[in-house]
Amino acid sequence: DGGITQSPKYLFRKEGQNVTLSCEQNLNHDAMYWYRQDPGQGLRLIYYSQIVNDFQKGDIAEGYSVSREKKESFPLTVTSAQKNPTAFYLCASSIDRDGQETQYFGPGTRLLVL
Amino acid sequence: AQTVTQSQPEMSVQEAETVTLSCTYDTSESDYYLFWYKQPPSRQMILVIRQEAYKQQNATENRFSVNFQKAAKSFSLKISDSQLGDAAMYFCAYRGYSGGATNKLIFGTGTLLAVQP
Repeated sequence: DGGITQSPKYLFRKEGQNVTLSCEQNLNHDAMYWYRQDPGQGLRLIYYSQIVNDFQKGDIAEGYSVSREKKESFPLTVTSAQKNPTAFYLCASSIDRDGQETQYFGPGTRLLVL
Repeated sequence: AQTVTQSQPEMSVQEAETVTLSCTYDTSESDYYLFWYKQPPSRQMILVIRQEAYKQQNATENRFSVNFQKAAKSFSLKISDSQLGDAAMYFCAYRGYSGGATNKLIFGTGTLLAVQP
Protein backbone atom coordinates (compact mmCIF):
# COMPACT_ATOMS: atom_id res chain seq x y z
CA ASP A 1 0.00 0.00 0.00
CA GLY A 2 1.23 3.49 -0.77
CA GLY A 3 1.30 5.99 2.03
CA ILE A 4 3.12 7.86 4.73
CA THR A 5 4.21 6.14 7.90
CA GLN A 6 5.36 7.73 11.12
CA SER A 7 6.95 6.01 14.07
CA PRO A 8 6.68 5.65 16.91
CA LYS A 9 3.05 6.47 17.64
CA TYR A 10 4.01 7.63 21.15
CA LEU A 11 7.42 8.84 22.26
CA PHE A 12 8.66 9.84 25.69
CA ARG A 13 11.55 12.18 26.20
CA LYS A 14 13.59 12.79 29.31
CA GLU A 15 15.03 16.18 30.15
CA GLY A 16 18.17 16.93 28.12
CA GLN A 17 17.60 14.05 25.73
CA ASN A 18 17.49 14.20 21.94
CA VAL A 19 14.81 12.08 20.28
CA THR A 20 14.18 11.31 16.62
CA LEU A 21 10.80 10.92 14.96
CA SER A 22 10.65 8.84 11.82
CA CYS A 23 8.73 9.69 8.64
CA GLU A 24 8.76 7.46 5.56
CA GLN A 25 6.76 7.69 2.34
CA ASN A 26 6.53 5.37 -0.64
CA LEU A 27 4.48 7.72 -2.80
CA ASN A 28 7.52 8.95 -4.74
CA HIS A 29 6.73 12.47 -3.54
CA ASP A 30 9.41 15.11 -3.90
CA ALA A 31 8.55 17.36 -0.98
CA MET A 32 8.21 16.49 2.69
CA TYR A 33 7.17 18.56 5.68
CA TRP A 34 7.09 18.48 9.47
CA TYR A 35 4.32 20.22 11.40
CA ARG A 36 3.69 20.64 15.08
CA GLN A 37 0.14 20.67 16.51
CA ASP A 38 -0.67 22.08 19.94
CA PRO A 39 -4.11 22.11 21.58
CA GLY A 40 -6.29 24.96 20.37
CA GLN A 41 -3.91 25.82 17.55
CA GLY A 42 -3.61 24.89 13.95
CA LEU A 43 -0.56 23.17 12.55
CA ARG A 44 2.70 25.10 12.43
CA LEU A 45 5.53 24.32 10.03
CA ILE A 46 8.83 23.21 11.56
CA TYR A 47 10.93 22.22 8.53
CA TYR A 48 10.36 21.32 4.91
CA SER A 49 12.36 19.72 2.14
CA GLN A 50 11.60 20.00 -1.56
CA ILE A 51 14.38 17.72 -2.80
CA VAL A 52 16.91 15.27 -1.44
CA ASN A 53 19.83 16.82 0.46
CA ASP A 54 18.04 20.14 0.79
CA PHE A 55 15.76 21.46 3.51
CA GLN A 56 14.56 24.80 4.82
CA LYS A 57 13.44 26.14 8.17
CA GLY A 58 9.77 26.75 8.73
CA ASP A 59 8.15 29.06 11.25
CA ILE A 60 9.22 27.27 14.44
CA ALA A 61 12.52 25.51 13.62
CA GLU A 62 14.37 26.39 16.82
CA GLY A 63 15.23 23.29 18.84
CA TYR A 64 14.66 20.93 15.91
CA SER A 65 16.85 19.43 13.20
CA VAL A 66 16.17 17.34 10.10
CA SER A 67 17.96 15.46 7.35
CA ARG A 68 16.91 14.36 3.86
CA GLU A 69 19.41 11.79 2.67
CA LYS A 70 16.82 9.73 0.83
CA LYS A 71 13.71 10.75 -1.06
CA GLU A 72 11.55 8.44 1.03
CA SER A 73 12.74 9.55 4.45
CA PHE A 74 12.63 12.81 6.42
CA PRO A 75 13.45 12.23 10.10
CA LEU A 76 12.95 14.97 12.68
CA THR A 77 15.17 15.27 15.74
CA VAL A 78 13.84 17.12 18.75
CA THR A 79 16.89 18.40 20.56
CA SER A 80 17.39 19.37 24.19
CA ALA A 81 17.24 22.99 23.05
CA GLN A 82 13.50 22.60 22.45
CA LYS A 83 12.16 23.59 25.85
CA ASN A 84 8.51 22.75 25.25
CA PRO A 85 8.48 19.67 23.02
CA THR A 86 5.22 18.13 24.21
CA ALA A 87 2.98 18.17 21.13
CA PHE A 88 1.58 16.11 18.29
CA TYR A 89 3.92 15.95 15.30
CA LEU A 90 2.65 15.42 11.78
CA CYS A 91 4.69 14.61 8.71
CA ALA A 92 3.38 15.34 5.23
CA SER A 93 4.52 14.82 1.67
CA SER A 94 3.50 16.21 -1.68
CA ILE A 95 4.30 16.21 -5.36
CA ASP A 96 3.87 19.26 -7.54
CA ARG A 97 2.65 18.67 -11.08
CA ASP A 98 2.14 21.87 -13.08
CA GLY A 99 1.34 23.81 -9.94
CA GLN A 100 -1.17 21.24 -8.71
CA GLU A 101 0.11 20.25 -5.32
CA THR A 102 -1.64 18.75 -2.35
CA GLN A 103 -0.11 17.66 0.93
CA TYR A 104 -0.95 14.27 2.39
CA PHE A 105 -0.33 13.53 6.04
CA GLY A 106 0.97 10.64 8.08
CA PRO A 107 -0.78 9.36 11.23
CA GLY A 108 1.37 11.47 13.60
CA THR A 109 3.60 10.97 16.62
CA ARG A 110 2.66 12.08 20.12
CA LEU A 111 5.70 13.32 22.03
CA LEU A 112 5.55 13.57 25.80
CA VAL A 113 8.15 14.80 28.24
CA LEU A 114 8.83 12.73 31.37
CA ALA B 1 1.83 37.60 5.93
CA GLN B 2 -1.09 35.39 5.16
CA THR B 3 -3.51 34.41 7.90
CA VAL B 4 -6.43 32.02 8.15
CA THR B 5 -9.27 32.55 10.63
CA GLN B 6 -11.88 30.06 11.74
CA SER B 7 -14.25 31.91 14.04
CA GLN B 8 -16.30 28.90 15.15
CA PRO B 9 -14.38 26.80 17.71
CA GLU B 10 -17.25 24.29 17.93
CA MET B 11 -20.31 23.42 15.89
CA SER B 12 -23.04 20.84 16.23
CA VAL B 13 -25.38 19.30 13.65
CA GLN B 14 -28.11 16.67 13.69
CA GLU B 15 -27.53 13.57 11.66
CA ALA B 16 -28.83 13.97 8.07
CA GLU B 17 -28.90 17.76 8.39
CA THR B 18 -26.65 20.32 6.70
CA VAL B 19 -23.96 22.37 8.39
CA THR B 20 -21.66 25.15 7.18
CA LEU B 21 -18.22 25.82 8.63
CA SER B 22 -16.74 29.28 8.13
CA CYS B 23 -13.25 30.31 7.12
CA THR B 24 -11.79 33.66 6.18
CA TYR B 25 -8.28 34.44 5.11
CA ASP B 26 -6.06 37.37 4.41
CA THR B 27 -3.62 37.58 1.54
CA SER B 28 -2.27 40.01 -0.99
CA GLU B 29 -1.67 37.28 -3.56
CA SER B 30 -4.01 36.78 -6.48
CA ASP B 31 -3.24 33.12 -7.09
CA TYR B 32 -3.45 30.58 -4.29
CA TYR B 33 -5.07 27.40 -3.12
CA LEU B 34 -7.47 26.72 -0.29
CA PHE B 35 -8.09 23.44 1.46
CA TRP B 36 -10.31 21.85 4.05
CA TYR B 37 -8.77 19.05 6.09
CA LYS B 38 -10.58 16.76 8.51
CA GLN B 39 -8.95 15.40 11.65
CA PRO B 40 -11.00 12.66 13.33
CA PRO B 41 -10.21 11.32 16.81
CA SER B 42 -7.47 9.15 15.28
CA ARG B 43 -5.73 12.49 14.56
CA GLN B 44 -4.94 11.53 10.97
CA MET B 45 -5.28 14.62 8.76
CA ILE B 46 -7.47 13.82 5.78
CA LEU B 47 -7.93 16.07 2.78
CA VAL B 48 -11.62 16.87 2.27
CA ILE B 49 -11.61 19.34 -0.59
CA ARG B 50 -9.42 21.85 -2.41
CA GLN B 51 -10.13 25.01 -4.36
CA GLU B 52 -7.94 26.88 -6.80
CA ALA B 53 -8.42 30.64 -6.51
CA TYR B 54 -8.41 31.15 -10.28
CA LYS B 55 -11.44 28.90 -10.64
CA GLN B 56 -14.78 30.62 -10.15
CA GLN B 57 -16.66 27.37 -9.86
CA ASN B 58 -17.01 26.08 -6.31
CA ALA B 59 -15.38 22.72 -5.64
CA THR B 60 -17.58 19.74 -4.73
CA GLU B 61 -16.71 16.29 -3.41
CA ASN B 62 -19.79 14.15 -2.83
CA ARG B 63 -21.54 15.58 0.27
CA PHE B 64 -18.90 18.27 0.74
CA SER B 65 -18.96 21.56 -1.12
CA VAL B 66 -17.44 24.98 -0.66
CA ASN B 67 -18.65 28.53 -1.07
CA PHE B 68 -15.61 30.42 -2.29
CA GLN B 69 -15.99 34.19 -2.28
CA LYS B 70 -12.68 35.57 -3.52
CA ALA B 71 -13.48 39.25 -3.09
CA ALA B 72 -14.65 38.68 0.47
CA LYS B 73 -11.76 36.25 1.13
CA SER B 74 -14.19 33.71 2.45
CA PHE B 75 -14.07 29.92 2.03
CA SER B 76 -16.85 28.08 3.84
CA LEU B 77 -17.40 24.32 3.86
CA LYS B 78 -20.90 22.86 3.57
CA ILE B 79 -21.54 19.31 4.68
CA SER B 80 -24.84 17.91 3.46
CA ASP B 81 -26.65 14.87 4.87
CA SER B 82 -24.32 14.83 7.89
CA GLN B 83 -23.21 11.42 9.11
CA LEU B 84 -21.83 10.29 12.46
CA GLY B 85 -18.48 9.70 10.77
CA ASP B 86 -18.26 13.38 9.91
CA ALA B 87 -17.60 14.23 13.56
CA ALA B 88 -14.07 15.62 13.64
CA MET B 89 -11.95 18.73 13.84
CA TYR B 90 -11.99 20.60 10.54
CA PHE B 91 -9.12 22.80 9.49
CA CYS B 92 -9.13 25.41 6.77
CA ALA B 93 -5.73 25.94 5.11
CA TYR B 94 -4.16 28.32 2.60
CA ARG B 95 -1.22 27.84 0.27
CA GLY B 96 0.22 30.48 -1.99
CA TYR B 97 0.96 29.74 -5.62
CA SER B 98 4.68 29.82 -5.20
CA GLY B 99 5.86 28.43 -8.51
CA GLY B 100 8.62 26.42 -6.85
CA ALA B 101 9.27 28.18 -3.56
CA THR B 102 7.83 27.07 -0.26
CA ASN B 103 4.53 25.28 -0.49
CA LYS B 104 3.81 25.94 3.13
CA LEU B 105 0.26 25.40 4.29
CA ILE B 106 -1.10 28.03 6.65
CA PHE B 107 -3.77 26.61 8.93
CA GLY B 108 -6.65 28.06 10.88
CA THR B 109 -7.23 27.01 14.48
CA GLY B 110 -9.94 24.51 13.58
CA THR B 111 -13.65 23.92 14.17
CA LEU B 112 -14.73 20.92 16.20
CA LEU B 113 -17.86 19.42 14.64
CA ALA B 114 -20.16 17.20 16.67
CA VAL B 115 -22.84 15.14 14.94
CA GLN B 116 -25.90 14.31 17.04
CA PRO B 117 -27.77 11.07 16.29
